[in-house]
Amino acid sequence: LAKTTQPISMDSYEGQEVNITCSHNNIATNDYITWYQQFPSQGPRFIIQGYKTKVTNEVASLFIPADRKSSTLSLPRVSLSDTAVYYCLVEVSGGYNKLIFGAGTRLAVHP
Amino acid sequence: EPEVTQTPSHQVTQMGQEVILRCVPISNHLYFYWYRQILGQKVEFLVSFYNNEISEKSEIFDDQFSVERPDGSNFTLKIRSTKLEDSAMYFCASSRLGGENTEAFFGQGTRLTVV
Repeated sequence: LAKTTQPISMDSYEGQEVNITCSHNNIATNDYITWYQQFPSQGPRFIIQGYKTKVTNEVASLFIPADRKSSTLSLPRVSLSDTAVYYCLVEVSGGYNKLIFGAGTRLAVHP
Repeated sequence: EPEVTQTPSHQVTQMGQEVILRCVPISNHLYFYWYRQILGQKVEFLVSFYNNEISEKSEIFDDQFSVERPDGSNFTLKIRSTKLEDSAMYFCASSRLGGENTEAFFGQGTRLTVV
């Protein structure tokens, strides 16, 4: 299984752009990169998923370089409600039906 | 927006008792999961379920645990004889597809407290 490494915590201020980088040096050819968000006492929530280059949705952007050994989740103009734990996951290819969560990055957004 | 619902939101039980945690996955989803999160720790995979059978389980999911889809809508997790260390948030999730390129939808969780 590909292991992911991301910062334990980050701090930001309202209105700033936040970039959280995740490294996954052993990612396999067929693996996708997925980010989830978790608020306290709630279940994780899917944010974005990508395979290569850049993916953007209404919530975030995901940047993946050509070697795919890392990825960066970009949250534009964060607000206090973006305070949460953000998890970078690498999907296991071959039809495995489970998500492997690491410790995640605890983002604190300050006024 | 469709969602995964879990009941109860909080359950307190005595050590050694059996508990059943209930989940209603999203209706057109085919894959179902249970995860748990001990307070302050990471989310851990317990089991995945597809086509009325377990497709994968973790080392945590020992003989004390079982899952069932008793009808077309519910998905349950049973713990036969609870231990203090079973105290955790238990999350049910479902997805339309399995494997890669799959978005899993999580419920709000059941907080299990074993005393």
